Amino acid sequence: KAGVTQTPRYLIKTRGQQVTLSCSPISGHRSVSWYQQTPGQGLQFLFEYFSETQRNKGNFPGRFSGRQFSNSRSEMNVSTLELGDSALYLCASRPGHPGYGYTFGSGTRLTVV
Amino acid sequence: GQQVMQIPQYQHVQEGEDFTTYCNSSTTLSNIQWYKQRPGGHPVFLIQLVKSGEVKKQKRLTFQFGEAKKNSSLHITATQTTDVGTYFCAGPGDSNYQLIWGAGTKLIIKP
Repeated sequence: KAGVTQTPRYLIKTRGQQVTLSCSPISGHRSVSWYQQTPGQGLQFLFEYFSETQRNKGNFPGRFSGRQFSNSRSEMNVSTLELGDSALYLCASRPGHPGYGYTFGSGTRLTVV
Repeated sequence: GQQVMQIPQYQHVQEGEDFTTYCNSSTTLSNIQWYKQRPGGHPVFLIQLVKSGEVKKQKRLTFQFGEAKKNSSLHITATQTTDVGTYFCAGPGDSNYQLIWGAGTKLIIKP
């Protein structure tokens, strides 16, 4: 079966702009999580969605938001981009209940200039 | 807040040598997961440990979960070039809907 698909793979944006990243989970997976990965900070949790509801949110400013659609596809949005937002953004899905490993997408590499 | 500490940050080994990475949690974990991320890639789920004192093997990889369920280790016997990458441990946070990640241990094979 198809894996987790993230689009786009690469993105270059200018400071102050906004960006929307997309994630299509594995079919049947209703839980989608988003992570930010940077060389210095490792994997930082952004948020987790299940059945269109945000179940948990990490310690990121309000400029970072997300949503999930009825088909479990998810988007995250970053407004008013800052240079420090440059990172690899990873989406991961798993069946709805805890206790399963995550399947990650290949990520979106965002560069803010 | 809850933390998962992972050491070492890097480990340089000759091909054929063993490799070990350790994770310690500030709190008792219901389970711990291990992932591998190849250079330029994304994390790939390796295994989940649930029981106190559990030991699981995958070919040359041995995973252990401590008796107190606060620490875990991954040991690779006779490393190969295909083992190169960063190994992460992760455990559930205060909410079961979030994983707390270790900083990762990068396995580097010396030329």
